[in-house]
Amino acid sequence: GAVVSQHPSWVICKSGTSVKIECRSLDFQATTMFWYRQFPKQSLMLMATSNEGSKATYEQGVEKDKFLINHASLTLSTLTVTSAHPEDSSFYICSARDSGSNTGELFFGEGSRLTVL
Amino acid sequence: GESVGLHLPTLSVQEGDNSIINCAYSNSASDYFIWYKQESGKGPQFIIDIRSNMDKRQGQRVTVLLNKTVKHLSLQIAATQPGDSAVYFCAENSPRGKLIFGQGTELSVKP
Repeated sequence: GAVVSQHPSWVICKSGTSVKIECRSLDFQATTMFWYRQFPKQSLMLMATSNEGSKATYEQGVEKDKFLINHASLTLSTLTVTSAHPEDSSFYICSARDSGSNTGELFFGEGSRLTVL
Repeated sequence: GESVGLHLPTLSVQEGDNSIINCAYSNSASDYFIWYKQESGKGPQFIIDIRSNMDKRQGQRVTVLLNKTVKHLSLQIAATQPGDSAVYFCAENSPRGKLIFGQGTELSVKP
């Protein structure tokens, strides 16, 4: 089946630094990818829709300058958490929509756990 | 961001019993619904889906029921096994093409 890979799977950083998380579709092309954030014991919250070759669409309440999204190719979207603070510590999950599928099936990555000290 | 629910409700069942997990969705215009299983520290795993023109769909040991009148979904797991222990989320595909997750349920299977 289709695979979505996230890297890194976990990262620890100091407060004030920036962290980049990659989301790759390994065997399909994805013009659209989605970024979610999940706090412990809570549901997945959609942060933004990443569109290949254009600007990401952010959900209400998500800071664009804080969470930079770049979708430069059909198989890669990146999320950069800028000037990270402890409250940004969370589990970040991406999903990719198979552009070649008429069902628009979504595939999820395994998530990236960010801990900001 | 869009999300429903804060803290996860829990469901505890005995191994071998059937489990029923319920979910309410928000948008009556949503046309596609999916159930996911999430194990600790991992991403969501697809279980079963259903389109809005159906009210029931069966898979291997799982059945999804859709009641559009009351915007309700349920996931039934037959002969629940310890390996079924996880958090289960329903998700709706909104008219804008975004997948919005509902409140999860933590399923605990007692041996």
